[in-house]
Amino acid sequence: GQNIDQPTEMTATEGAIVQINCTYQTSGFNGLFWYQQHAGEAPTFLSYNVLDGLEEKGRFSSFLSRSKGYSYLLLKELQMKDSASYLCAVRDPGTYKYIFGTGTRLKVLA
Amino acid sequence: DAGVTQSPTHLIKTRGQQVTLRCSPKSGHDTVSWYQQALGQGPQFIFQYYEEEERQRGNFPDRFSGHQFPNYSSELNVNALLLGDSALYLCASSKGRPPNHEQYFGPGTRLTVT
Repeated sequence: GQNIDQPTEMTATEGAIVQINCTYQTSGFNGLFWYQQHAGEAPTFLSYNVLDGLEEKGRFSSFLSRSKGYSYLLLKELQMKDSASYLCAVRDPGTYKYIFGTGTRLKVLA
Repeated sequence: DAGVTQSPTHLIKTRGQQVTLRCSPKSGHDTVSWYQQALGQGPQFIFQYYEEEERQRGNFPDRFSGHQFPNYSSELNVNALLLGDSALYLCASSKGRPPNHEQYFGPGTRLTVT
């Protein structure tokens, strides 16, 4: 089976840097995804990692270590609009099924 | 370029009733996946449609069924509604052939079962 763990909630200050961790236990690996979801809205795609290392996209970066079953999303220069839930997801190997974590609710304080 | 659209936005039904939710994929996409998202939880995969057939199914009972039309739009049907079916139902579209890792989600349909 597949399992994904993320912290439930995090708080950070505007302008700071925050790291949201995600660990996964899967029978194989076929890519890890990060999505942002504002309250009452649909998830929006942030990043995709399939190889080990850091992928940088503006203020957001995502890191993957396949040997450790670990990923993190790094948000720099936090803004109030970054207050949202951040969902980690993996694609079930050999299938078209995506498995999501419960999400990390980030609160950015002024 | 229209993104993923879903209808209706909100719906209130009574236990035992049946409901149909609709989704139109993003232009150029041919694959539609449906998810159920309970409050405070991550989306749970229901099933995926490609070429008008159910290509993959998650751990949901047969009360949940779907359909994909030749224009790639899709419907999700839920029969014999239970209180526990109250959730946000999300539709996501993508391209069927690799690289197809990027899913675009619609705004969702909020279903309340009373």
